[in-house]
This record gives sequence, structure tokens and C-alpha cells, in this order.
Amino acid sequence: QSALTQPASVSGSPGQSITISCTGTSSDVGDYNYVSWYQQHPGKAPKLMIYDVSNRPSGVSNRFSGSKSGNTASLTISGLQAEDEADYYCISYRSSNIRVFGGGTKLTVL
Amino acid sequence: QVQLVESGGGLVKPGGSLRLSCAASGFTFSDYYMNWIRQAPGKGLEFVSYISSSGNTIYYADSVKGRFTISRDNAKNSVYLQMDSLRAEDTAVYYCARGYNYFDPWGQGTLVTVSS
Repeated sequence: QSALTQPASVSGSPGQSITISCTGTSSDVGDYNYVSWYQQHPGKAPKLMIYDVSNRPSGVSNRFSGSKSGNTASLTISGLQAEDEADYYCISYRSSNIRVFGGGTKLTVL
Repeated sequence: QVQLVESGGGLVKPGGSLRLSCAASGFTFSDYYMNWIRQAPGKGLEFVSYISSSGNTIYYADSVKGRFTISRDNAKNSVYLQMDSLRAEDTAVYYCARGYNYFDPWGQGTLVTVSS
């Protein structure tokens, strides 16, 4: 069982928006602005999409955005495209220098 | 460009040992924390270990504590993971990744299979 809770799967049609949630506790997501999101296509290494809750690395599409409310962080993908179909993982800093992971969410573009 | 390349994976019997290496290029290696993260077949990501830029601070997940040892050589721009007393449940792709609060980039991964 993962420390952070993500939905196992989400789906959306091309052009739509979807949101993936990542629920932790007041010791990690709720207390630190160090939530990051990763995209992983089959057989590939994870790729950083969002860091520090809502910052986008250079080269990542502005269709990807992140936010946080209380103990839950969210990744929103707008204008869904076929290439967005992948697994998505959240990671958070936790007190005592620990990193905690979400179990991953499979995004299907219908 | 910034790049991480893992090596050293393979097939090993239960109770055996392997040493993974991760060679870094394109950035000042000695400025960064380095991490090992693994992914069992068909499963999610699991944090394994990190080491601070100087090597003075080290963390291990409970699942590997006492069996795995992380180290780094800043002169060789490399981080290592010595894995002893391997178990079937250690079977996974092992990734090295740069960073402290977030991980970027990741290497391509190296597969470790523990089986008799």
C-alpha cells in the first residue's frame, strides 16, 4: 500500500480536461510544497512534469498544471491528446527527509 | 546534455549480490543528491535510497535497510548501489535519478532479476 493515494485509473476524450488527485497527510502533502508529478510511458523512464506543487520544467507543455489544497495535490491535463496516455505518479517530501510515493494512475485517452 | 546511465543489472540467485552503477554527465555531479528508485514488473515506483552531495547523509527504505549500500564517487561522477542478500521481491528495474525534492532526470533503468 502506497503512502500517497491516487486513483488507479482515469480516462478522458481528446480535447477534454482531466484531473488526477494525490492524497497524503499533514506530514507530507499538507505540510510541504514539495509535491512533484511524473509521466511514464510503457517501457520508458519516468519524466518530471510538475515540481514544487505547481511549477513546470522547461519543455513541458502548459497543458499540464498542478495545485494543492490541504492534504491533496492535483495534476490537471487540459486539451487531452493521445500522447498523454501514460501512467502518472506523485511524490512528496515528508518530515525526517523521507520521500513518499503515490501508487500511480493509468490515464486512458478514449 | 544532462544524462544518467545505469549499468550492472542482471540475473542473480536468491542470497546473491549485485552492484549497480550510475554514470552522470552534463552537470556538476558533486552539487546534487542522487537517488535509487525501483519498479517491480507491472508495479508502481518504490523509493530505495538516497545519498547527499557530499555523501554524508544517506537514507534507505525499510525494505532494503541492512542489505543495500549506496555510495558515490564525485571524482568519477558516479553513484553506486551494492545489493546483498538479494530476494525474489527485489526483482525490478532500478533507476537512478538526480535531485532532492524532485527527481530530474532519470536514467533509462537497469533490470535486476532475482531467481533460482
